[in-house]
Amino acid sequence: SQTIHQWPATLVQPVGSPLSLECTVEGTSNPNLYWYRQAAGRGLQLLFYSVGIGQISSEVPQNLSASRPQDRQFILSSKKLLLSDSGFYLCAWNSATDTQYFGPGTRLTVL
Amino acid sequence: QQPVQSPQAVILREGEDAVINCSSSKALYSVHWYRQKHGEAPVFLMILLKGGEQKGHEKISASFNEKKQQSSLYLTASQLSYSGTYFCGPRRSNDYKLSFGAGTTVTVRA
Repeated sequence: SQTIHQWPATLVQPVGSPLSLECTVEGTSNPNLYWYRQAAGRGLQLLFYSVGIGQISSEVPQNLSASRPQDRQFILSSKKLLLSDSGFYLCAWNSATDTQYFGPGTRLTVL
Repeated sequence: QQPVQSPQAVILREGEDAVINCSSSKALYSVHWYRQKHGEAPVFLMILLKGGEQKGHEKISASFNEKKQQSSLYLTASQLSYSGTYFCGPRRSNDYKLSFGAGTTVTVRA
């Protein structure tokens, strides 16, 4: 069966520090992968998605970037965090039946 | 463009029914529904394809009217476990991504 992992689960970072969040999927190959952010009490904002290694589409231009160095690995990065980057970051993958499954998420607090 | 969900919030007593609506301004290929409990990731409930009505989860069902670009989620005989925020995620046929609504918060009380 397929599983999706994200780490870390929680993170507290100072403003201006770098960020690296990792997402990996097991049990499937060549999945579409997605990064979402959810501000407190808000909806799901799509940040990036990828249909293959090295292929990244950006939905929201800001100080975040994404990379897909391997088929089942998706990384979200920032060189300098802002206060507004705080939120719940969710990675998701698409199954062959077009169902999108979410990982457990990373809760990021920027102070 | 985000779909519009209504109502924003609903409070139910156990056993009551509710309907959550999701409308899009774009032609749709499918609509996905998710439920999110506080502090947790969204959990997939069901997917509606063109012309389909599907009962996928507990006593929760949904419909999809592709001509009106609308989908509705029906919570029947609600249980305490139905509490959470429900999101619809429509997808267009030429798109790899979902556009999620702002969510509908459902509170079920004993």
